[in-house]
Amino acid sequence: GQNIDQPTEMTATEGAIVQINCTYQTSGFNGLFWYQQHAGEAPTFLSYNVLDGLEEKGRFSSFLSRSKGYSYLLLKELQMKDSASYLCAVFSNYQLIWGAGTKLIIKP
Amino acid sequence: DAMVIQNPRYQVTQFGKPVTLSCSQTLNHNVMYWYQQKSSQAPKLLFHYYDKDFNNEADTPDNFQSRRPNTSFCFLDIRSPGLGDAAMYLCATSREARNNEQFFGPGTRLTVL
Repeated sequence: GQNIDQPTEMTATEGAIVQINCTYQTSGFNGLFWYQQHAGEAPTFLSYNVLDGLEEKGRFSSFLSRSKGYSYLLLKELQMKDSASYLCAVFSNYQLIWGAGTKLIIKP
Repeated sequence: DAMVIQNPRYQVTQFGKPVTLSCSQTLNHNVMYWYQQKSSQAPKLLFHYYDKDFNNEADTPDNFQSRRPNTSFCFLDIRSPGLGDAAMYLCATSREARNNEQFFGPGTRLTVL
């Protein structure tokens, strides 16, 4: 089967750093996406990893290890507007397999 | 600005009364997708079109149909909505089918009374 696991919910403090993990078991792999989704809104693209390593984009970074079936999204200098769900999705055999998302709560 | 547009943003229908949701895109992307997303769950792919080629997911109920009359527009028809069909319906597009970023519309929140 195809499976993506992420923590259901995480809490962090404004200004801090948080790491959201994602593990996957899929029959194929053509890349891993991270999306941000605010409550009641559509997902918006954050990052795409297809090779092992770290991709940095401003306050957000995403890491991939294909051998371990593992990725993380690192958010630095957290702001209140970062309160959202973060969805990990793997492209496998022409299909995007989605995780259920991690709800990130930012406290002042 | 190039974008994905969904209408309406909020739709209320009655149990069993057919409803149509619409999506349009100005990105000129080849692929269009319809997802169903319920609260705190992953988006669930219902179908996608690669150009005019229709691809139905195996577990998409027959109650759901789709039409893509041209590149820009795609419709989701729910023939007899049940209470379990209340959800957010997301339309997305991508340039190609292979590992391409998907661009989402704002979604239509469907309420079934």
